Amino acid sequence: GEDVEQSLFLSVREGDSSVINCTYTDSSSTYLYWYKQEPGAGLQLLTYIFSNMDMKQDQRLTVLLNKKDKHLSLRIADTQTGDSAIYFCADHSNSGYALNFGKGTSLLVTP
Amino acid sequence: EPEVTQTPSHQVTQMGQEVILRCVPISNHLYFYWYRQILGQKVEFLVSFYNNEISEKSEIFDDQFSVERPDGSNFTLKIRSTKLEDSAMYFCASRREAGGFEETQYFGPGTRLLVL
Repeated sequence: GEDVEQSLFLSVREGDSSVINCTYTDSSSTYLYWYKQEPGAGLQLLTYIFSNMDMKQDQRLTVLLNKKDKHLSLRIADTQTGDSAIYFCADHSNSGYALNFGKGTSLLVTP
Repeated sequence: EPEVTQTPSHQVTQMGQEVILRCVPISNHLYFYWYRQILGQKVEFLVSFYNNEISEKSEIFDDQFSVERPDGSNFTLKIRSTKLEDSAMYFCASRREAGGFEETQYFGPGTRLLVL
């Protein structure tokens, strides 16, 4: 719970890597999530990481967690125009399963 | 693939009017949620619902709000007397009953509510 902060915009060229950063303040967060929102659609879970892990890789996605600095990042390799969307970082509220979101990072991929 | 659906996609209402936002969660899911996102702000948790009762709610979810699962498939959010500041995108989500925080919450596409 508490605050989850993200930068608001990122623009990359197609084929480059994108790195979206997130900081959180609740050191008790056990799971951290990345959600993607395409225009007109709901929030789609991309990936998550458990707090005892430093890194998780899933195809083009790499999640890095620095628990000491409370910093989470999402790297998208070989970014495509279809990756253009808003990406939300989230952790759990202090009290239960409710998700606590950042404001979202708008990723624009240009040809 | 099963998905969460929400109706209507957009709603415009006058201040003071009651609105009901509807959601159909995924059929074998047992936990249900409402979140909202005011334009330009973060997605905020409103309420969670399990076993026909509220299991958790935020400070935003005051007496003007209520939730109901009237018929075993729909999950509704009612705002009794809307205010201008209720204008937002409202998201419904559902989750299967399972142990562990990794169990995914599946989100609907949202209802955009505009209060005039």
